[in-house]
Amino acid sequence: DTEVTQTPKHLVMGMTNKKSLKCEQHMGHRAMYWYKQKAKKPPELMFVYSYEKLSINESVPSRFSPECPNSSLLNLHLHALQPEDSALYLCASSPGRLPSGANVLTFGAGSRLTVL
Amino acid sequence: SQQGEEDPQALSIQEGENATMNCSYKTSINNLQWYRQNSGRGLVHLILIRSNEREKHSGRLRVTLDTSKKSSSLLITASRAADTASYFCATDPSRLFQGGSEKLVFGKGTKLTVNP
Repeated sequence: DTEVTQTPKHLVMGMTNKKSLKCEQHMGHRAMYWYKQKAKKPPELMFVYSYEKLSINESVPSRFSPECPNSSLLNLHLHALQPEDSALYLCASSPGRLPSGANVLTFGAGSRLTVL
Repeated sequence: SQQGEEDPQALSIQEGENATMNCSYKTSINNLQWYRQNSGRGLVHLILIRSNEREKHSGRLRVTLDTSKKSSSLLITASRAADTASYFCATDPSRLFQGGSEKLVFGKGTKLTVNP
């Protein structure tokens, strides 16, 4: 299995809703990522989990809450979002920091979020 | 600020022609990667070139790296309509043989359109 699976593909939510985005990989990768991408812009890093521990938080507002239940799963919990949070949310994974290697990311297809 | 800056921002060519995209960056790097993104989908890793390499080939792709000029180019030969996508360079700011950074920095991307 060489895929990163994201669900749902599309999500529409109101500003008072609580929802979650889910990501799963079975490649044995030890690092998992959340990126946010607005239209015609590059992906922006939000969070990185390395060996199931949060290693990077790019000063993301607390209305986004990541969770890594195990090495294969990554969630992004959403609460009290704003319309400007509407974007494509991309999950990625990588083998992790190998002494002789470079960090190559495998991305999921993304979850398109619309906040009304 | 974005490490990588691609140019051109948009490129439109005819099928069969070659497409060249450039990426400039600001700090020293461990490696530079190119990713492709079809509209509204996840990114797909294409090719990686390490800082001690000058040129690399993969099928119809040719990547060059000039660390003295802090620039890279991606050449797609004999383009096809299926090559239509956005192409992003991503730089890894860690040191060579340090194991790769979890904090890849994506450039703004080049939108390539290949007309049949």
